Amino acid sequence: QKEVEQNSGPLSVPEGAIASLNCTYSDRGSQSFFWYRQYSGKSPELIMSIYSNGDKEDGRFTAQLNKASQYVSLLIRDSQPSDSATYLCAVNEGWSGGSYIPTFGRGTSLIVHP
Amino acid sequence: DVKVTQSSRYLVKRTGEKVFLECVQDMDHENMFWYRQDPGLGLRLIYFSYDVKMKEKGDIPEGYSVSREKKERFSLILESASTNQTSMYLCASRLETIRMSGEGPNTGELFFGEGSRLTVL
Repeated sequence: QKEVEQNSGPLSVPEGAIASLNCTYSDRGSQSFFWYRQYSGKSPELIMSIYSNGDKEDGRFTAQLNKASQYVSLLIRDSQPSDSATYLCAVNEGWSGGSYIPTFGRGTSLIVHP
Repeated sequence: DVKVTQSSRYLVKRTGEKVFLECVQDMDHENMFWYRQDPGLGLRLIYFSYDVKMKEKGDIPEGYSVSREKKERFSLILESASTNQTSMYLCASRLETIRMSGEGPNTGELFFGEGSRLTVL
């Protein structure tokens, strides 16, 4: 059974701080990793994808991947109250019918307080 | 602009009823997915389709079936609704990964619909 693990939180950080969200995965052969943000009552939306070991930066967001440790993280710098949401880690872990199947973690709830 | 449309935002059905959840995407995507999302359990894959008329079971297919007769439409069917199928259902689509160009061999963002919240009484 493919697994993607996240701490459910909530993770509470003050406004302006760095929020660090972590995710581990079970399939050593995984190649693609995604972070989705989901506001309460809304659908998930992609905020970052990463495929190579190391860091990838996009504005206030940095994704970090370490395939040897099977670990992917998301850093949010200068956190804002509008970043308060659930963050879902997704990994393309399975293969069936000619396509990669994404497996989602259960999500980490982030609360940014003023 | 990318668009995945689910036919109903809220549905209330009775136990034993047949339920159809429709999903339409306008991006010419080959892959489509049905997930259910429950508190504390996250997103769980029910079925996916990698092409027209093709379908594969996900992690929790029991009690569900799907239909993909046209590329843009993927339907989820509950043959006989039960109370434990009360949930938020999310449809998603994705451009077929093998042909995606980009940073890696397995790229592929999922685009989600707004969700259908089903209550079975």
